[in-house]
Amino acid sequence: DAGVIQSPRHEVTEMGQEVTLRCKPISGHDYLFWYRQTMMRGLELLIYFNNNVPIDDSGMPEDRFSAKMPNASFSTLKIQPSEPRDSAVYFCASSRVGQNYGYTFGSGTRLTVV
Amino acid sequence: GEDVEQSLFLSVREGDSSVINCTYTDSSSTYLYWYKQEPGAGLQLLTYIFSNMDMKQDQRLTVLLNKKDKHLSLRIADTQTGDSAIYFCAESKDAGGTSYGKLTFGQGTILTVHP
Repeated sequence: DAGVIQSPRHEVTEMGQEVTLRCKPISGHDYLFWYRQTMMRGLELLIYFNNNVPIDDSGMPEDRFSAKMPNASFSTLKIQPSEPRDSAVYFCASSRVGQNYGYTFGSGTRLTVV
Repeated sequence: GEDVEQSLFLSVREGDSSVINCTYTDSSSTYLYWYKQEPGAGLQLLTYIFSNMDMKQDQRLTVLLNKKDKHLSLRIADTQTGDSAIYFCAESKDAGGTSYGKLTFGQGTILTVHP
């Protein structure tokens, strides 16, 4: 398995633009998580899905953030409009029910909003 | 409530042992994990321990769990420069409620290994 695949690896965008981050979880995994990592706040859980259904989005900072999971093999995190304070590394992770050894993380997307 | 705390920095000399500590507040935690994050990479699972265990050893890694004090530690024997990274402690619960499958992470400990 290729692991959790995120794209793009790096994204630089101007303030006000729409940004879409993509994630392909490991095949057979039924949980998908979106995290944001910054120096100031550490690792923050934004939202997670179970069987493509959003379970907890209480970590999504503002209405500018939205996430979808149209099928078991794909998820997106969208920021519209983007702001400089959204600059961070965004990680996607997936896991499977009964898999008691945690998550598998993707390599992350480093987002810079200028 | 759920809270996981770690010290932020640890510096050791190559060849020495490193001990990274973690405390958690949720007594119903079922699994506790240690993840490693190298620069520019995602988090990689190092090891995990079930809450009914006291110790787990895996090559150079030893995990100790004191459930009474809600204290978890990771010992790295013969620490190498390649062990320099951020180490995250995390906890999760078994089936039941919406918290199932969700890990709560500490803020990470930056381990620096000096030659």
